[in-house]
Amino acid sequence: QKEVEQNSGPLSVPEGAIASLNCTYSDRVSQSFFWYRQYSGKSPELIMSIYSNGDKEDGRFTAQLNKASQYVSLLIRDSQPSDSATYLCAVSPYSGYSTLTFGKGTMLLVSP
Amino acid sequence: AAGVIQSPRHLIKEKRETATLKCYPISRHDTVYWYQQGPGQDPQFLISFYEKMQSDKGSIPDRFSAQQFSDYHSELNMSSLELGDSALYFCASSLTSEQFFGPGTRLTVL
Repeated sequence: QKEVEQNSGPLSVPEGAIASLNCTYSDRVSQSFFWYRQYSGKSPELIMSIYSNGDKEDGRFTAQLNKASQYVSLLIRDSQPSDSATYLCAVSPYSGYSTLTFGKGTMLLVSP
Repeated sequence: AAGVIQSPRHLIKEKRETATLKCYPISRHDTVYWYQQGPGQDPQFLISFYEKMQSDKGSIPDRFSAQQFSDYHSELNMSSLELGDSALYFCASSLTSEQFFGPGTRLTVL
């Protein structure tokens, strides 16, 4: 059973702080890793994808991947109240099209 | 560019009825995925299609079927509905590895 584990939270941070979200996965051959943001009752929105070890930055978001440790994280700098949502980590065994296995998500709460 | 379109957005059915959910992928996307998300749960993969052929199958009940048509839109057919089928149903489309989700159909079975 391929598993993706996330701390359910909530993770509470003050506005302007850095939020750090973590995810571990069990399938060692996983190739593609994604972070989705989901507001309550809405659909998941892709915010980051990462395929190689190291860091990938996009605006206020940085994804970090360590395949040896089977660990992927998302850093959100200068957190805003509008970042309050559930963040889903998703993993795929292939680099091309493939089904995603999701973690149960971490709820982030950013207080003004 | 237009995103993934799903219809209807809300659907209320009685037990044992049938339902059909439709998905229109982003233009030029050749792969469609269906997910089911129950309250407080993560999205669960149901089935996917690549170039109109079923490419992968997840935890889709035998009461459900799906297909992808020549214009790449997809339909999820659900029969003998049960109370437990009440959930959000998302369609996602992709051209590469990144999947983009539609707004979902909220199905309520009474």
